[in-house]
Amino acid sequence: DSGVTQTPKHLITATGQRVTLRCSPRSGDLSVYWYQQSLDQGLQFLIQYYNGEERAKGNILERFSAQQFPDLHSELNLSSLELGDSALYFCASSVTPWGYTFGSGTRLTVV
Amino acid sequence: DQQVKQNSPSLSVQEGRISILNCDYTNSMFDYFLWYKKYPAEGPTFLISISSIKDKNEDGRFTVFLNKSAKHLSLHIVPSQPGDSAVYFCAASLYTGANSKLTFGKGITLSVRP
Repeated sequence: DSGVTQTPKHLITATGQRVTLRCSPRSGDLSVYWYQQSLDQGLQFLIQYYNGEERAKGNILERFSAQQFPDLHSELNLSSLELGDSALYFCASSVTPWGYTFGSGTRLTVV
Repeated sequence: DQQVKQNSPSLSVQEGRISILNCDYTNSMFDYFLWYKKYPAEGPTFLISISSIKDKNEDGRFTVFLNKSAKHLSLHIVPSQPGDSAVYFCAASLYTGANSKLTFGKGITLSVRP
């Protein structure tokens, strides 16, 4: 157990739908990062939050949004889902800018 | 634009031999490099790192080498064990304070044959 909790582990949904992925960071970690792993694409950075504020944005689609709550857990919202959004979504938390601890991921399948 | 490149998608080695995993990067401003290891159905876990001011860092069977002039780093695993079979991601960081993020390569699947 890495200390970073992601729920749900698996999600199957239809095109056009909206889903919410949840991440609870390690105790004491203020930064939360979201990454997407698609087939053959490695880990693509989506967005970072630090103590409730958005700090960095990567290749995140406009249909995707995220937020970090006062208790530091974070949610990634994916809307108007397309088949190509099927991927593994990882959350990571850290204290230092490079010491990431990853959760076990949410596997999203859009059908 | 892939700033961190792992050009070989897979590597197969015999147990007991050396595994060498390569990684190239394009941004000369990167100042910290890391290797993560990922088993199926798990998230990536930190393996070893190196600062840009060093050219080698060793931790047990794992050694990372950094060649800044060539913008190249490599991970050596000696001796390789079947339990090392996993996907290995190279990552690089550009420190910008609290906004720093890791840029990952696409990963290399290492298979260690018994």
